[in-house]
Amino acid sequence: RKEVEQDPGPFNVPEGATVAFNCTYSNSASQSFFWYRQDCRKEPKLLMSVYSSGNEDGRFTAQLNRASQYISLLIRDSKLSDSATYLCVVNPSGGFQKLVFGTGTRLLVSP
Amino acid sequence: GAVVSQHPSRVICKSGTSVKIECRSLDFQATTMFWYRQFPKQSLMLMATSNEGSKATYEQGVEKDKFLINHASLTLSTLTVTSAHPEDSSFYICSVPDRTPNEQFFGPGTRLTVL
Repeated sequence: RKEVEQDPGPFNVPEGATVAFNCTYSNSASQSFFWYRQDCRKEPKLLMSVYSSGNEDGRFTAQLNRASQYISLLIRDSKLSDSATYLCVVNPSGGFQKLVFGTGTRLLVSP
Repeated sequence: GAVVSQHPSRVICKSGTSVKIECRSLDFQATTMFWYRQFPKQSLMLMATSNEGSKATYEQGVEKDKFLINHASLTLSTLTVTSAHPEDSSFYICSVPDRTPNEQFFGPGTRLTVL
């Protein structure tokens, strides 16, 4: 079983739609969780950290369910510029930033 | 956050040659840097942790004699792919961890193609 699993998609949505991605992780002792965004042939960039209480940044909402070991990302009012691959990322040990990446979920927002 | 550069951005080489990739932290002294590899449609996989002034720590399955890492200063780590083969063709990305525990800053990546 992969340490971090995501639905690869692609998710095809129209502009303005709300879309949700889920991710599961296998190590119940994992400490930190993140969503990164990766554009085609580019490096990943941090979108947001994920906290147990849930957190929101503009149109983006992230939630963590430790009991079920899953992480979610909700994007409201999708924009064309949101088209990218969204990577679920876990720090399993809580140590010095040794990150484990999911394969990513591809989002395509169309006009 | 840290600004990270990589050079070259793209390299094409013949099988059997060695390729050196540089990762620089431009505004941040990094005692640790990470090297990742990403094959098409796959996740980033950590290859090794580069430690300034000491030996790198390699992940399981990564050959240390094939992927040589040197972290000679607080701003520069290099990855040398020795005797490259077509299966080494990949996207190599370095990262620098932030002072806070919640972020890594990635270089723009180096796309290696071995013919």
